[in-house]
Amino acid sequence: GESVGLHLPTLSVQEGDNSIINCAYSNSASDYFIWYKQESGKGPQFIIDIRSNMDKRQGQRVTVLLNKTVKHLSLQIAATQPGDSAVYFCAEREGYSTLTFGKGTMLLVSP
Amino acid sequence: NAGVMQNPRHLVRRRGQEARLRCSPMKGHSHVYWYRQLPEEGLKFMVYLQKENIIDESGMPKERFSAEFPKEGPSILRIQQVVRGDSAAYFCASSPYLGEGAVNTEAFFGQGTRLTVV
Repeated sequence: GESVGLHLPTLSVQEGDNSIINCAYSNSASDYFIWYKQESGKGPQFIIDIRSNMDKRQGQRVTVLLNKTVKHLSLQIAATQPGDSAVYFCAEREGYSTLTFGKGTMLLVSP
Repeated sequence: NAGVMQNPRHLVRRRGQEARLRCSPMKGHSHVYWYRQLPEEGLKFMVYLQKENIIDESGMPKERFSAEFPKEGPSILRIQQVVRGDSAAYFCASSPYLGEGAVNTEAFFGQGTRLTVV
């Protein structure tokens, strides 16, 4: 399940399940979005991006959905594996400005 | 083709000392971004540079922090007279110049430098 507390929101799933990580962004003028994966002690790793003129984009085992009406972004991971355990960040950008990162969600995958 | 290289990976400084963090971009990349990350938080933008030019430093604290990206050599983030609140992980990302409206500009991040001020 999902929990929010003093620490990062955490999503716990079983191996093989599909995972959905959500992100509410703040700037209605943002036109570009990225999902990053960050493993402990490492830098952010680019997963997938989407422009605001799209509402869905698929990659290998991952899908990003964008709902501009409610300023919501989600990352779906199919057949989640233990190696997917990490913190996932969404990031948004307006025009030529730099990225604004969200706070992150920790994904825990148990075998 | 090496990725974005940051060094040192870990840096310990006493209060009042100077910290120098280095970032070597990927080969062929002319733009560097520096971000700071506090524990269990997202990355906060600090500064965006191209070689010999600061493009956007709106995220840099007004005092004690400076950044450069010389024509030759790595980009340097310099923190003078460090305080405990400077303890954080500092990441850089690099990109080639892709033109206006480019995407994937921060697709490649380094492993970060973890600064601890004691």
